[in-house]
Amino acid sequence: TQLLEQSPQFLSIQEGENLTVYCNSSSVFSSLQWYRQEPGEGPVLLVTVVTGGEVKKLKRLTFQFGDARKDSSLHITAAQPGDTGLYLCAGGMGSGNTGKLIFGQGTTLQVKP
Amino acid sequence: DADVTQTPRNRITKTGKRIMLECSQTKGHDRMYWYRQDPGLGLRLIYYSFDVKDINKGEISDGYSVSRQAQAKFSLSLESAIPNQTALYFCATSGVGETQYFGPGTRLLVL
Repeated sequence: TQLLEQSPQFLSIQEGENLTVYCNSSSVFSSLQWYRQEPGEGPVLLVTVVTGGEVKKLKRLTFQFGDARKDSSLHITAAQPGDTGLYLCAGGMGSGNTGKLIFGQGTTLQVKP
Repeated sequence: DADVTQTPRNRITKTGKRIMLECSQTKGHDRMYWYRQDPGLGLRLIYYSFDVKDINKGEISDGYSVSRQAQAKFSLSLESAIPNQTALYFCATSGVGETQYFGPGTRLLVL
């Protein structure tokens, strides 16, 4: 069974601080996606990374896919209260299972003003 | 209008009752999925369908069944609801790639 371990599960920080969320597995994924979910809503895609070592930036968010495509990280610079939410990583299962995703447990982020 | 809609948004039911959750999409995607979300467990796949004639079990299909009535519609049934099926349920769709688009969720409480 493929597992995706996400850490930390909870993070409470002050506005302006930096943070990193990690997503780790012993399995290789065809892609790694990061979603953000707000209360009362479904997850919304932030980014997809597909190449080992790939780095993508979305304003203050930086996403990296590990060289071996087994892990990923999300780094937020100068966090703002609007970044508060649940962050989920999801690994694509690839060939033969294209379209299926394995989700991490999620990281609940609270950014205090 | 939302691309993926779910009805109802909230539902309270009693143990032993049969209930159906419905999902519709206007994205024209062939692939549809049902997940449940529990605190600390992330999203777990219940069933998925890659086209109208294709239905597959996910990792936690026991106690659930699905019906793919059309390309745009995928419903989830709980044949005899039990309290540990209390959760947030999400429908999702995807096209050729792996990006999934989620509905707003159905909050289910089984008493």
